[in-house]
Amino acid sequence: EADIYQTPRYLVIGTGKKITLECSQTMGHDKMYWYQQDPGMELHLIHYSYGVNSTEKGDLSSESTVSRIRTEHFPLTLESARPSHTSQYLCASSLGWGTGELFFGEGSRLTVL
Amino acid sequence: AQSVTQLDSQVPVFEEAPVELRCNYSSSVSVYLFWYVQYPNQGLQLLLKYLSGSTLVESINGFEAEFNKSQTSFHLRKPSVHISDTAEYFCAVGEKTSYDKVIFGPGTSLSVIP
Repeated sequence: EADIYQTPRYLVIGTGKKITLECSQTMGHDKMYWYQQDPGMELHLIHYSYGVNSTEKGDLSSESTVSRIRTEHFPLTLESARPSHTSQYLCASSLGWGTGELFFGEGSRLTVL
Repeated sequence: AQSVTQLDSQVPVFEEAPVELRCNYSSSVSVYLFWYVQYPNQGLQLLLKYLSGSTLVESINGFEAEFNKSQTSFHLRKPSVHISDTAEYFCAVGEKTSYDKVIFGPGTSLSVIP
């Protein structure tokens, strides 16, 4: 069973606020990812990490930033939230080479008013 | 770069009827292929995957998918659906040269009608 956790599950905030979405996994996976999921379901990779101190931008440009100071923790931060940031954010992790399986958290649904 | 197409955004089907969800991909290198399922208000879960070997792969809940290299397809099928199969289904592709990124299709919403 996958052990990857996201908090908060739901967040409603006003424009201009700084927010951090937390993601933690207890599986010791090196690779972690953030996907943004549109209301129409499509997933877009916005950030990924190969391991500690490694972060890369994904295919969809995002104003968010990420950090990877510890293997198990991959938080996503928005310095100044806007209504266009309203979306669901899904965190995932994987062993990487040889498996291909991503383990997903339950998601963080962000609404910016 | 690889890409994934799921032509059907919504598929309604009656309970106990068969269903096929279509997935086509494009890639310049060999690929791994996946189907993920997302139930309401949850994250995605792996349904089945093709890494190598037999081109027909099965899940524990009766779904199967067949890798067709010549048609670059990985369609998902189930001979008899249940109400509990109502969910969003995502096809995904990872290139064998790198596991850095897995690209997802736009998803298909399967609605099983009683």
